[in-house]
Amino acid sequence: GIQVEQSPPDLILQEGANSTLRCNFSDSVNNLQWFHQNPWGQLINLFYIPSGTKQNGRLSATTVATERYSLLYISSSQTTDSGVYFCLSGGSNYKLTFGKGTLLTVNP
Amino acid sequence: SAVISQKPSRDICQRGTSLTIQCQVDSQVTMMFWYRQQPGQSLTLIATANQGSEATYESGFVIDKFPISRPNLTFSTLTVSNMSPEDSSIYLCSVERGRGKLFFGSGTQLSVL
Repeated sequence: GIQVEQSPPDLILQEGANSTLRCNFSDSVNNLQWFHQNPWGQLINLFYIPSGTKQNGRLSATTVATERYSLLYISSSQTTDSGVYFCLSGGSNYKLTFGKGTLLTVNP
Repeated sequence: SAVISQKPSRDICQRGTSLTIQCQVDSQVTMMFWYRQQPGQSLTLIATANQGSEATYESGFVIDKFPISRPNLTFSTLTVSNMSPEDSSIYLCSVERGRGKLFFGSGTQLSVL
């Protein structure tokens, strides 16, 4: 199956800082999603972004499908951004597969 | 988006017992998915549930351990049978909306003593 690798595995920020999370995938995909799992376990779909760039408030994401990676940008981070960010990737030839996640801690 | 109600939200169970988790969706969907998230780990797909047919299980998961029902297009249950402490995990149901976008229920936090 497809390999999905996320980096960094852990990230600690001060409130107000910016960050970039990365997701690499091993083959061509037509499905790429970013999720945030809050400290209570709830998974929220942030972006469905198999290619191109999208923005939603302080968050934006870019997927370069030809180079097999996606980036999630968090600007002016807040303590409520803390949690685990997962990348989910797959496509017509591959089942959807989650990466191992990036644990983000934003300190006040 | 999708509104997915999952219950119970958490439970503490004794070894050897079974727990049934319910998942209710706000509108009809063809497929419902059940995931397991072991402590500190990522999500792993257990099975895909289609209405009117047997669920399709992923490698490493069997029907005897994780029986699934799908009686209609808005509801599914997952049972964790003959539990052991290794079954302690978060179990999540999920549906797909619009070209593969996944939405998740709030999860069931299961602890087995």
